[in-house]
Amino acid sequence: EVVLTQSPGTLSLSPGERATLSCRASQNVNSNYLAWYQQKPGQAPRLLIYAAFTRAIGIPDRFSGSGSGTDFTLTISRLEPEDFAVYYCQLYDTSPLYTFGQGTKLEIK
Amino acid sequence: VQLQESGPGLVRPSGTLSLTCDVSGGSIGISNWWSWIRQSPGKGLEWIGEIHGSGRASYNPSLKSRVTISVDNSKNRFSLELTSVTAADTAVYFCTRNGQVSLDSWGHGILVTVSS
Repeated sequence: EVVLTQSPGTLSLSPGERATLSCRASQNVNSNYLAWYQQKPGQAPRLLIYAAFTRAIGIPDRFSGSGSGTDFTLTISRLEPEDFAVYYCQLYDTSPLYTFGQGTKLEIK
Repeated sequence: VQLQESGPGLVRPSGTLSLTCDVSGGSIGISNWWSWIRQSPGKGLEWIGEIHGSGRASYNPSLKSRVTISVDNSKNRFSLELTSVTAADTAVYFCTRNGQVSLDSWGHGILVTVSS
């Protein structure tokens, strides 16, 4: 089973700043199978990015995904107040079908 | 598409957890797969298993011996059963639609507590 490790655990930034969140896989993975989610307190996760780079419907273009091999990044170009949340990466694999990172909490500085 | 979980919020240890996900705004049986995910403080987000409208299912190996996911096309819903539960099964349970290598629609989630 591939393990996804996200860093940092908590990221403290101010609105307007750029956020860079990392997701590292324990072995090389197909970038087409990597996704990112945003979760706010009391809510379900919301799909942001799939296939490493493709934004889901309705996701603003300040969110972008990149990476290959074992290292993947979610970038938020200019933070809005509503972007402060927990972010998860997810891999589509064989068994189990979906695995998740432990999350990065993006908090207001 | 909208998804809504329902079921008991409290289950006794060694009992069976049973949840239902009602799907609206789309047909469950056409071409999609549907999953159950759970989230607990100790284990984070965990995929439990998936089902197709045809009834074909697959499960997380870590839970496979205790899990059954079924579908009822006539009611546009799918269900989860998890047997022999312990406190470690306490979590928020989500039902989702499988998108392209991701989970593109989620229910609001239901907290299930295992306690006597």
